[in-house]
Amino acid sequence: ETGVTQTPRHLVMGMTNKKSLKCEQHLGHNAMYWYKQSAKKPLELMFVYSLEERVENNSVPSRFSPECPNSSHLFLHLHTLQPEDSALYLCASSLQAGQTYNEQFFGPGTRLTVL
Amino acid sequence: AQSVTQLGSHVSVSEGALVLLRCNYSSSVPPYLFWYVQYPNQGLQLLLKYTSAATLVKGINGFEAEFKKSETSFHLTKPSAHMSDAAEYFCAVSVPLGGSARQLTFGSGTQLTVLP
Repeated sequence: ETGVTQTPRHLVMGMTNKKSLKCEQHLGHNAMYWYKQSAKKPLELMFVYSLEERVENNSVPSRFSPECPNSSHLFLHLHTLQPEDSALYLCASSLQAGQTYNEQFFGPGTRLTVL
Repeated sequence: AQSVTQLGSHVSVSEGALVLLRCNYSSSVPPYLFWYVQYPNQGLQLLLKYTSAATLVKGINGFEAEFKKSETSFHLTKPSAHMSDAAEYFCAVSVPLGGSARQLTFGSGTQLTVLP
């Protein structure tokens, strides 16, 4: 596998379920990001990790819990979600979080539907 | 605060016609600007980026963008549209986060439709 991969690609869950999204990057990058993309809204940055340490939270509700066990893997743990959390969740990585040009490479996303 | 504004949420062009997607930035310091494209059911792919080395930036798939400081613009163009160019296009600017980290702030996107 090359680039940034995300699993699953589609997820349907009830409001009481617990699920996790997985992201893996094969680019040797040190920074990873979670974004939320909702219809008719700009991309929202949720979390940033640099060298496995969280840099930015961006006031995301606690029902979203990120985990970055190493620089290649990023998880987003979900519990007691609301229907308005239905969206495309995108993972991205970059060489360094502090790099000025900060080119980010994106995965294909997980389409989440909360019933 | 640095930001970008994309004018026109939907743009339609005929196949073979000029593509012009508009992006204006707001920044008190030299900005670092990007254009990304998103095809249906896919993530974002970098088209090009402005790094201050040259005001006219060439990207992939025949796209280019010109940085105009006097107009605070970074519009994306392609001389001749192809059906495969139909997608959503995002302009973005690199802004500081806490500490030494940076993030991308995206515009709201422009959906490009190419008519046969």
